Amino acid sequence: DQQVKQNSPSLSVQEGRISILNCDYTNSMFDYFLWYKKYPAEGPTFLISISSIKDKNEDGRFTVFLNKSAKHLSLHIVPSQPGDSAVYFCAASARGSGGGADGLTFGKGTHLIIQP
Amino acid sequence: NAGVTQTPKFRVLKTGQSMTLLCAQDMNHEYMYWYRQDPGMGLRLIHYSVGEGTTAKGEVPDGYNVSRLKKQNFLLGLESAAPSQTSVYFCASERDRGPRTEAFFGQGTRLTVV
Repeated sequence: DQQVKQNSPSLSVQEGRISILNCDYTNSMFDYFLWYKKYPAEGPTFLISISSIKDKNEDGRFTVFLNKSAKHLSLHIVPSQPGDSAVYFCAASARGSGGGADGLTFGKGTHLIIQP
Repeated sequence: NAGVTQTPKFRVLKTGQSMTLLCAQDMNHEYMYWYRQDPGMGLRLIHYSVGEGTTAKGEVPDGYNVSRLKKQNFLLGLESAAPSQTSVYFCASERDRGPRTEAFFGQGTRLTVV
């Protein structure tokens, strides 16, 4: 059973507009969430994270929102740029709550395409 | 800074052959992980290590073995490769067991078993 779900396999957004990527989770023991960005033939690179004690974290053009009651988080990219075209993975950890192994649980990813 | 380096980048194996994937990190990280990524799937944890000389099973450990004899290296072994092990393998490292930090990933090893 998938514990981290990214229900949109792909998303197309016009350059300059806002990109919103969504992620849902089922495991209430998750206490830390991360977004990774991946280009073809490269490893994932860390983008932004949020602890479960917060509801928002911002870093430049990137903002992550967490709604614990809905078990939902979203990544907002404003404004979207051509270099943002990549696969974005949502990942979750239960390490702090003692609820799981030490690795990350990943969603299947969303392919973001920024159109000029 | 090299970060996390995986060797080799590509490999084709015949069913039943064995091989070892090497992961090396130069950040003095305590934690190291091996993940696999299959088409249309997220990354799934195979094995991990919380320090030199330690290993533990992840979500999909069957058919793999690991060793962490030196802090900077984490080896993933396939004793008898099967077509189901065709995948892209990623190694990652993380600082320590303090507050959660981001994991740093290698560039991946694309393995095909025929």
